[in-house]
This record gives sequence, structure tokens and C-alpha cells, in this order.
Amino acid sequence: GQQVMQIPQYQHVQEGEDFTTYCNSSTTLSNIQWYKQRPGGHPVFLIQLVKSGEVKKQKRLTFQFGEAKKNSSLHITATQTTDVGTYFCAGDAGNKLTFGGGTRVLVKP
Amino acid sequence: DAEITQSPRHKITETGRQVTLACHQTWNHNNMFWYRQDLGHGLRLIHYSYGVQDTNKGEVSDGYSVSRSNTEDLPLTLESAASSQTSVYFCASSVGQGDSPLHFGNGTRLTVT
Repeated sequence: GQQVMQIPQYQHVQEGEDFTTYCNSSTTLSNIQWYKQRPGGHPVFLIQLVKSGEVKKQKRLTFQFGEAKKNSSLHITATQTTDVGTYFCAGDAGNKLTFGGGTRVLVKP
Repeated sequence: DAEITQSPRHKITETGRQVTLACHQTWNHNNMFWYRQDLGHGLRLIHYSYGVQDTNKGEVSDGYSVSRSNTEDLPLTLESAASSQTSVYFCASSVGQGDSPLHFGNGTRLTVT
């Protein structure tokens, strides 16, 4: 079945630094979604990418969908303490989403 | 405002007991999903439904069942709770089947002793 892998599993970031988390699918995706889950909370939808090579920005967050539609990345610039949480990608390859294992982000002030 | 509500928020039960977790949404979404979240495994799909009377197995469905008698509710039943089913359970709903954002409930933390 479809597998979605995320790396790294953990990311320790100094406040103010940039980092990137990566998502890779074993199959071609029709779309990919990103979610953020704050500690103790539930996943909250951030964005959806549909087109090959698509890039979308939300303030300090930049999301990219690979040309082959099998991978995606989330880049955060100038990390803030409000960025703490776990970021999940979720790929659609058959009318239902498969989630990656998530990247848990810890910010050092 | 539309919302999705899970109950209870916390549940402790004994091995072998039947447990039902409730999920109620007021989005009027046809599509509803149950996920479990465990450290190191992310969110894994248990069961899902694309409409009333429709239910489907996800990747980790053994030991779980769902029923969909109306649009608003998708209760999840653990037939005979096992310690391996200790987890956080999230219910979600969406407009589309895989191309729409999921709206998640606040989760139910289940402990099986």
C-alpha cells in the first residue's frame, strides 16, 4: 500500500533559524496536504498543493510540491516559539489521505 | 459555527470490555474518518465512511468497528479492548474524499488496563 515518509522525525531549532522538513511518497499523489498539531491539540489544516512544482507561502512558511508529485517540503524561516508542534504531511493517492509520521519541532529560545 | 465533537475526552477501561467512542459533526460532511495516533506512527486510518450506511476499513481496522446511521455521527467501537489499543483517537470529517481538508475533533485519550 501507499507509504508516506517524513524526515526528520525530530527537529531542534534555535529561535531565529530556518529549517526544512521533507515528505516522500511511494506513489504519485494527486494532492498533498500539510497539518500542524500543537502539543496536546489536534491536527489543523495548513495548506494543500495540487500542481506539479507548485510553491505556496504562508508568512514564514513555504510549501513545495515536487515535479514528480511524489515529494513535498515545508520550509520555515526565522523560527519562532509559536512554531512549536508536530507538522504532518498527508498524501492523496486514491481518494483518501495517508499521513506521514510527522516532524516534531522543538524551539530553543 | 460548525464543529466536530468527540466524547469522552479521556477514558480508562479494562482489557476485554467493549468501548464506544462518539464523534458528532455539524459540518454536514458526507465523509468521516477515525484515526489513531501513537508515538512514532503518526496518524493511522482505522475506518472511514463516505455517507450514510457506508463504512470502509482502513489500514489498522482489526478489533474496531463503525456504523453510520446518519450524516452527523460515526461512533467507533472496540469490540474487546486490548492494551495495544491504548492510544489517542481522532475523528475527522471532510467535504471531499481525498482532495479536501480534514476537520479534526479534539481527540479521545483511551487507556486500556
